[in-house]
Amino acid sequence: EAQVTQNPRYLITVTGKKLTVTCSQNMNHEYMSWYRQDPGLGLRQIYYSMNVEVTDKGDVPEGYKVSRKEKRNFPLILESPSPNQTSLYFCASSLTAPWVHSLSGANVLTFGAGSRLTVL
Amino acid sequence: QKEVEQNSGPLSVPEGAIASLNCTYSDRVSQSFFWYRQYSGKSPELIMSIYSNGDKEDGRFTAQLNKASQYVSLLIRDSQPSDSATYLCAVSYNQGGKLIFGQGTELSVKP
Repeated sequence: EAQVTQNPRYLITVTGKKLTVTCSQNMNHEYMSWYRQDPGLGLRQIYYSMNVEVTDKGDVPEGYKVSRKEKRNFPLILESPSPNQTSLYFCASSLTAPWVHSLSGANVLTFGAGSRLTVL
Repeated sequence: QKEVEQNSGPLSVPEGAIASLNCTYSDRVSQSFFWYRQYSGKSPELIMSIYSNGDKEDGRFTAQLNKASQYVSLLIRDSQPSDSATYLCAVSYNQGGKLIFGQGTELSVKP
């Protein structure tokens, strides 16, 4: 089944304890992205990647790191989590970048199930 | 700062009515426009994408794009209680390579 898999789905941690949220897709997608979702603020982009070893900042990258060493994986790293990073996180991927017109739907994002993170 | 604005709602409509969801965006060079639906506790899923001015219909859903006025809308005809969800408008920008979401409009369809 074509999917984007995130782990963990739920995590409660404490301030300063490094954590990694994994994201893996099995669709050979080139584009991958991380979003956080907070009430009233919608989905805000943290980082995105156009392909292996190509990453760029989104709108809210502070406090986060990413890497794209393999095409299928795009982990999100919180080196020193703080309470303001408590949020619902979504990983998403698409065959081509969203801004590339596609009648076949290659630019449509497939989202993971989400990871709810609480930082105490 | 590129922005995408939606009415947060909640928007309440009776079953069988037409629900109208609106979205405005700030940048005239916007390329692609998407409507996603998100049920409570679930991840977003695509309803429609639209790239050109005018209407695009898919079943009970019609997306309307007006680039001159910088708005995109979604009409849901014959609304059903199963349409109750949050609807997210997303706009992609070729410059800067971003896809920006609005804050979402919560729709409630009452039986």
